[in-house]
Amino acid sequence: GENVEQHPSTLSVQEGDSAVIKCTYSDSASNYFPWYKQELGKRPQLIIDIRSNVGEKKDQRIAVTLNKTAKHFSLHITETQPEDSAVYFCAASGGSGYSTLTFGKGTMLLVSP
Amino acid sequence: GAVVSQHPSWVICKSGTSVKIECRSLDFQATTMFWYRQFPKQSLMLMATSNEGSKATYEQGVEKDKFLINHASLTLSTLTVTSAHPEDSSFYICSAHPPRGFYGYTFGSGTRLTVV
Repeated sequence: GENVEQHPSTLSVQEGDSAVIKCTYSDSASNYFPWYKQELGKRPQLIIDIRSNVGEKKDQRIAVTLNKTAKHFSLHITETQPEDSAVYFCAASGGSGYSTLTFGKGTMLLVSP
Repeated sequence: GAVVSQHPSWVICKSGTSVKIECRSLDFQATTMFWYRQFPKQSLMLMATSNEGSKATYEQGVEKDKFLINHASLTLSTLTVTSAHPEDSSFYICSAHPPRGFYGYTFGSGTRLTVV
């Protein structure tokens, strides 16, 4: 089955800095890669996703890049703000039919004012 | 669109009792729903895939007789934790495969189960 590795497990940055979280996956058939933000005690919220036919996608301060050959994808947050502090999860799935999501272990991002 | 509702948001039960958690798709039909379990400071672990009108598919290591899943309609899946024990205390979250035109699995709000 799919295996998703996520690094780092914790990341501390100063407000205004950029933050990068990296994930690798094992199943070359995976073709859908979402990123979720989860605040304490709340549900994961989809913040951005990318499909394997695209190499990069951007939405305001958030961007995701995908390297299919190397089987890794990354989340980039620019101009970080304290409200970006949360746990971020990457995930991978087959994307077709009812493929399940396999999650990385999560990254706790702390943005200090 | 593609809203998933989950109830209850939290529950405390005595050891040995059973607890039912509901997951509803509010504005779309979900033939497939997923149940996850999340321990503090850990990731979401898939427990089972719930298919409308058929038996759920459980992940390895998940006891199907302990975690009963019923998906009797296109908008409702339930997870029943039977004979609950303190080690079953966790955050349980459901999600649904999105309807046509949407993508991104939508999650329920989660249920915090505490077994005392």
